[in-house]
Amino acid sequence: EIVLTQSPATLSLSPGERATLSCRASQSVSNYLAWYQQKPGQAPRLLIYDASSRAVGIPARFRGSGSGTDFTLTISSLEPDDYAVYYCQLRSSWPGIFTFGPGTKVDIK
Amino acid sequence: EVQLVQSGAEVKKPGESLKISCGGSGYRFTNYWIAWVRQMPGKGLEWMGIVHPGDSDTTYSPSFQGQVTISVDKSINTAHLQWRSLKASDTAIYYCARCPTSLTRPYYNFYFDVWGKGTTVTVSS
Repeated sequence: EIVLTQSPATLSLSPGERATLSCRASQSVSNYLAWYQQKPGQAPRLLIYDASSRAVGIPARFRGSGSGTDFTLTISSLEPDDYAVYYCQLRSSWPGIFTFGPGTKVDIK
Repeated sequence: EVQLVQSGAEVKKPGESLKISCGGSGYRFTNYWIAWVRQMPGKGLEWMGIVHPGDSDTTYSPSFQGQVTISVDKSINTAHLQWRSLKASDTAIYYCARCPTSLTRPYYNFYFDVWGKGTTVTVSS
């Protein structure tokens, strides 16, 4: 089973600052990694798939990068709407098991 | 508009059965897989399983195999998640999510592009 680790657990930043979130897999997953945003009381929303492709309607300030075992979600300039929990997620090639990371909470400094 | 509409909140007692639903609209229901994801209070996301509406092909997470049943009724564009005997530890929000198909095994993609708003299940005596 592939394990995902996210760091830091909490990121405290001011609006306008750059956020850098890390996700590490216990074994290579090529570029098959996704990122989701979840705000309190809401369902998760897909931000990034295939490590670096933005989902429909996602602003350009969200950028995904990485491959293999190390991935990064960068929010170039935090807006008030971006304070949320961010999860990374992968799917194993076979038998096709999905795994989520524990999440990184981005809160207001 | 593409939507997954989930059934309403449920309050049940331990030992009772339950079936919750997730209806798809705004797209061809049989062209996408439907997954279920659990979120326990204050915790992260856990994938439970996935079903193909076209042929009911289902894969379960090892953690949930035998604990729940995932099914689909393509005639009404609806997927279901059910329990035979609920436990207090089943208290959680349950999300359904859409997964695009893939040309390679296991024939579903690597991410979930549309999510339902969630169904809150509370199990308490």
